[in-house]
Amino acid sequence: AQSVSQHNHHVILSEAASLELGCNYSYGGTVNLFWYVQYPGQHLQLLLKYFSGDPLVKGIKGFEAEFIKSKFSFNLRKPSVQWSDTAEYFCAVTSIYGNNRLAFGKGNQVVVIP
Amino acid sequence: EAGVTQFPSHSVIEKGQTVTLRCDPISGHDNLYWYRRVMGKEIKFLLHFVKESKQDESGMPNNRFLAERTGGTYSTLKVQPAELEDSGVYFCASSFRTYTDTQYFGPGTRLTVL
Repeated sequence: AQSVSQHNHHVILSEAASLELGCNYSYGGTVNLFWYVQYPGQHLQLLLKYFSGDPLVKGIKGFEAEFIKSKFSFNLRKPSVQWSDTAEYFCAVTSIYGNNRLAFGKGNQVVVIP
Repeated sequence: EAGVTQFPSHSVIEKGQTVTLRCDPISGHDNLYWYRRVMGKEIKFLLHFVKESKQDESGMPNNRFLAERTGGTYSTLKVQPAELEDSGVYFCASSFRTYTDTQYFGPGTRLTVL
């Protein structure tokens, strides 16, 4: 079964600091990769996704993620965070041969201090 | 375009009672998914409908959970009888195509079993 690992479940940083959230998955086949975000009081929404092509993916709100196949990783980055980036971030994976079910990591709770 | 909606937003019931959660997917989305997040754990897949058919229900915890999608539109998830360990947030998601397609999430239903 697929599994997704996210470390540093609680991250606290100041505005303008850089953010990097790690995501590693365990699956030997071809995968689709996602980062979802849940802002306080809101529903899960897609931040960015990787299906194929350029391994550096740009998403909304200045986020980007890099797929490194050899490391089974899909780390999320933002060069300079804002207070409004306070949220919970989830990495998720699907197999292209599966039924599109998402396997999620445990999430990273990110708090940005003004 | 209206997003995925879920009802109720919160439900508090006693152990042994029955609860029914409802999900209305985005219009035209044939694929409907249920997920659950128990406190402190990752979001986990429960089941997947394609139109009114259950494509995959391998994530359903036990036979106290019954999901339906009559007519291929909205879906219900019934828990009967509810147990303490059923507490958590139940998410619904929908997508247009099955493979390589983004899943759009609803706000979730927070279920508390006392």
